[in-house]
Amino acid sequence: DVKVTQSSRYLVKRTGEKVFLECVQDMDHENMFWYRQDPGLGLRLIYFSYDVKMKEKGDIPEGYSVSREKKERFSLILESASTNQTSMYLCASSWALPGFRETQYFGPGTRLLVL
Amino acid sequence: DQQVKQNSPSLSVQEGRISILNCDYTNSMFDYFLWYKKYPAEGPTFLISISSIKDKNEDGRFTVFLNKSAKHLSLHIVPSQPGDSAVYFCAALYSGAGSYQLTFGKGTKLSVIP
Repeated sequence: DVKVTQSSRYLVKRTGEKVFLECVQDMDHENMFWYRQDPGLGLRLIYFSYDVKMKEKGDIPEGYSVSREKKERFSLILESASTNQTSMYLCASSWALPGFRETQYFGPGTRLLVL
Repeated sequence: DQQVKQNSPSLSVQEGRISILNCDYTNSMFDYFLWYKKYPAEGPTFLISISSIKDKNEDGRFTVFLNKSAKHLSLHIVPSQPGDSAVYFCAALYSGAGSYQLTFGKGTKLSVIP
């Protein structure tokens, strides 16, 4: 069974704090993704990575950065948290093989509240 | 501009009947479509997918239909069960050379009434 874990289920931070969200997958997937989910807006892609040390911007990268130092770990960083970054953050991973990469496996999500 | 649209935010269906969830897209470059299911407090899980070269894919109670000319796909659940109550996301993929775009719709909340 594919397992994608996220370091926290719930997180409360203050405006201006630096926030790290960690994601780990145990299936040797090449691709990893960070999304945020907001009511009425669905899932929006923030960043993705298709290899170690590689990253690509998604639809809404502003205010975020990412780090992929090891294949199994993909970190999302909020350099200076703001209240509009209060959201549910979802990490996902997938194989890079044709026919498989389209299927993303998601973690349970981290609900972040920025005060 | 929303490239993947799920125009019904919610849907209620009686147990045992058919649930039909709809999805429209605007980008003709999308070549693969997926449905994900999400329960509260959990991450989405992959449900079923279809390639743009097909018009139907079936997996047990779930069938996805693709109408490329209308840029429309639908997910049919027959028979619907109370455990199917969840939010369903449609997603469309474009993966050309050096490019990868997976776009999700806003989701449709399905409630199956016992």
